Amino acid sequence: GEDVEQSLFLSVREGDSSVINCTYTDSSSTYLYWYKQEPGAGLQLLTYIFSNMDMKQDQRLTVLLNKKDKHLSLRIADTQTGDSAIYFCAGGNMRFGAGTRLTVKP
Amino acid sequence: NAGVTQTPKFRVLKTGQSMTLLCAQDMNHEYMYWYRQDPGMGLRLIHYSVGEGTTAKGEVPDGYNVSRLKKQNFLLGLESAAPSQTSVYFCASSYAMNRGDYGYTFGSGTRLTVV
Repeated sequence: GEDVEQSLFLSVREGDSSVINCTYTDSSSTYLYWYKQEPGAGLQLLTYIFSNMDMKQDQRLTVLLNKKDKHLSLRIADTQTGDSAIYFCAGGNMRFGAGTRLTVKP
Repeated sequence: NAGVTQTPKFRVLKTGQSMTLLCAQDMNHEYMYWYRQDPGMGLRLIHYSVGEGTTAKGEVPDGYNVSRLKKQNFLLGLESAAPSQTSVYFCASSYAMNRGDYGYTFGSGTRLTVV
């Protein structure tokens, strides 16, 4: 089956950029996703990228996809305390990573 | 729009008891899923459904059963609860299984403790 792997923790200062990384094994996913989970809540779709793209930008969010290395990253520019959450990478076949807990320090 | 509603939000069970978690969606989605979330392990798929009357096993189906008698509802049953089933359970639904602009819509979760 597909594995999706992420580092578990990331801590940054407010105003810095955050980069959350993900690797996956299944190359058949048409789309790859990033979800955000705030405390006590379910996951919300944050952004996605089509598998034939290598970059997608959406306001402060930039998604980079390296299909050759099966590596996906999410960059958050000008990180704010409200960005503190758990971020999940997901492929198209219902598999999620373990989630990266982003902590933003003032 | 309510989206995906899970009931109950919290529950404590004794080992060996049974219970049913209910998931309801009002978006006319074909696909529905049950996940469990455990610390350090992320979300693991328990069962899923690709339409009314269908169910399929996910990564960790043992100890659980599901039913999808109506399109809008997806039930998760624990026949004989075990402490290893202590977890947060999330239901999700989607219009399609792999369409970027149609990601999953998640419920707010059910926190289950088995003692």
